[in-house]
Amino acid sequence: DAGITQSPRHKVTETGTPVTLRCHQTENHRYMYWYRQDPGHGLRLIHYSYGVKDTDKGEVSDGYSVSRSKTEDFLLTLESATSSQTSVYFCAISEGGAGDSPLHFGNGTRLTVT
Amino acid sequence: AQRVTQPEKLLSVFKGAPVELKCNYSYSGSPELFWYVQYSRQRLQLLLRHISRESIKGFTADLNKGETSFHLKKPFAQEEDSAMYYCALMAGGGNKLTFGTGTQLKVEL
Repeated sequence: DAGITQSPRHKVTETGTPVTLRCHQTENHRYMYWYRQDPGHGLRLIHYSYGVKDTDKGEVSDGYSVSRSKTEDFLLTLESATSSQTSVYFCAISEGGAGDSPLHFGNGTRLTVT
Repeated sequence: AQRVTQPEKLLSVFKGAPVELKCNYSYSGSPELFWYVQYSRQRLQLLLRHISRESIKGFTADLNKGETSFHLKKPFAQEEDSAMYYCALMAGGGNKLTFGTGTQLKVEL
């Protein structure tokens, strides 16, 4: 494994509640990412980070925010969860440097919004 | 903008048969392409990257810039190859990956 821990592994929450997912890495990699995985859509990038306090939006960022106050932690927050955010969320890390540094993924967080 | 297309949602083959998972991409620059594999409900694992030109678990993939393709091939399918396979393109800043929608490979006995 690439030294990536996601927590929680499973979460059930109600519509309208805030939810925070955590990604922790022990590799000291510069880049961290949040993807969501949905049938028929593959994986889509939500947000990513290229350093402490440096983040940017991905293709499906609406309704999500992120924070990275330390190299090792990247938090994803659903400000007010909706049923459309029921998904499996994967964190990934990369050392950087283009093709020599592929992304390595965590085990995922399965989120259900009721 | 870049795009990755995997035209088959499901591919069923018999054990010992050849496998080809199709991947086409659109990108105006020089692409960096990857194949990831996901076994049942597990994390995605890197299978291949085109710059290394290596063979992993018997799988190979060749980048064809003329046809903008990066098909994944294996001469003889094994039961343990049953999994979801994703083709992905790295382009632009941030080392970001754009994924295809995935192909579920089912190897039947």
